[in-house]
Amino acid sequence: GAGVSQTPSNKVTEKGKYVELRCDPISGHTALYWYRQSLGQGPEFLIYFQGTGAADDSGLPNDRFFAVRPEGSVSTLKIQRTERGDSAVYLCASSLKGGAGLSTDTQYFGPGTRLTVL
Amino acid sequence: GQNIDQPTEMTATEGAIVQINCTYQTSGFNGLFWYQQHAGEAPTFLSYNVLDGLEEKGRFSSFLSRSKGYSYLLLKELQMKDSASYLCAVRVYAYNTDKLIFGTGTRLQVFP
Repeated sequence: GAGVSQTPSNKVTEKGKYVELRCDPISGHTALYWYRQSLGQGPEFLIYFQGTGAADDSGLPNDRFFAVRPEGSVSTLKIQRTERGDSAVYLCASSLKGGAGLSTDTQYFGPGTRLTVL
Repeated sequence: GQNIDQPTEMTATEGAIVQINCTYQTSGFNGLFWYQQHAGEAPTFLSYNVLDGLEEKGRFSSFLSRSKGYSYLLLKELQMKDSASYLCAVRVYAYNTDKLIFGTGTRLQVFP
């Protein structure tokens, strides 16, 4: 079956511009996660959705970052007034249930969007 | 706080065995995961442990000791394609969160 997909695969933008990154989770997965990975580092948690609601957005670095999941499936990560420090690979993951405390609830990752802010 | 430590780099020879260690101190624990990540690609799930002991899956095994905050990933009969980064991640679950906390990853290079 289809895995997690993300578009675009690469995004180059200029400092101060607005960008949107899209994630299509595995069909039927209710939980969706966004992470950010800088070169040579492990992924860093940004936000967790259970259904349509953001259950935990404590990882968003500041108020320039916002994410939505209006119908409980596709999610969009939005970054306003981009800065050079926002350059990273943005990874999306989904899991079947999430939030149920089931350790078998594995997160499956998409290929990521490489964002470069010039 | 959340802290996960693993070696930055390791090298090994094709056909050999390598053990990648991971120690963690996290507020909340609901399982430890290992992911493999080839350069420029998504992390792919390898294994998870929630109870103490060894889990074996083909050439890969993972061990967990919760009292020591310690895990390792054991790779046997190494192949060139095993050259990748290996990410240790702790799942933190509470009423208001469900997330993975990752280490920085261990870059493994397998030589012929």
